[in-house]
Amino acid sequence: ETGVTQSPTHLIKTRGQQVTLRCSSQSGHNTVSWYQQALGQGPQFIFQYYREEENGRGNFPPRFSGLQFPNYSSELNVNALELDDSALYLCASSLEGGFGYEQYFGPGTRLTVT
Amino acid sequence: ELKVEQNPLFLSMQEGKNYTIYCNYSTTSDRLYWYRQDPGKSLESLFVLLSNGAVKQEGRLMASLDTKARLSTLHITAAVHDLSATYFCAVVLRHGTASKLTFGTGTRLQVTL
Repeated sequence: ETGVTQSPTHLIKTRGQQVTLRCSSQSGHNTVSWYQQALGQGPQFIFQYYREEENGRGNFPPRFSGLQFPNYSSELNVNALELDDSALYLCASSLEGGFGYEQYFGPGTRLTVT
Repeated sequence: ELKVEQNPLFLSMQEGKNYTIYCNYSTTSDRLYWYRQDPGKSLESLFVLLSNGAVKQEGRLMASLDTKARLSTLHITAAVHDLSATYFCAVVLRHGTASKLTFGTGTRLQVTL
């Protein structure tokens, strides 16, 4: 059974640029959630995708967007990067919308915005 | 809005000592997780607590849940250096049709010789 994978591991971008982060869910999981973890803080929920549809969103602006593909892998896109977007981005996969099922976290992508 | 608070935020303890980390949350939920995070790494699931009165133990760590008091504890027995990490509790809530984890502030544990 393959676990949750994320790419890239690290990324450095300049303010104003756009970035795409990728997540492959664990085998059999159809739900992917994305979290942002700033340094020294707990992860914050960005949004969740279930069967290719956005299924819930946290308090993040529209420049944070996502996709889920038929194989249930997912992308997180961030436009017009700001310095405060520097963080560890975690994706987590689970079954059936997540409630009642554990979310399994990937290794994360460290984004630095300069 | 759900708030999840942990205390202490930082804990320095000697090897061999016992201590408890507390996690309080503001809205009813019957599912709570504890995670460990090493510096620069992802989250490692330690425990999932599903019901009032649930208690789980793994090695030197024991977690409990009191849903009526909206309180969970993570007890460390006879700490060893390998337990040094940041520990998060997280509460599950429905968010529309989604479920989301709301994390506590984290407790950074440092075990010294």
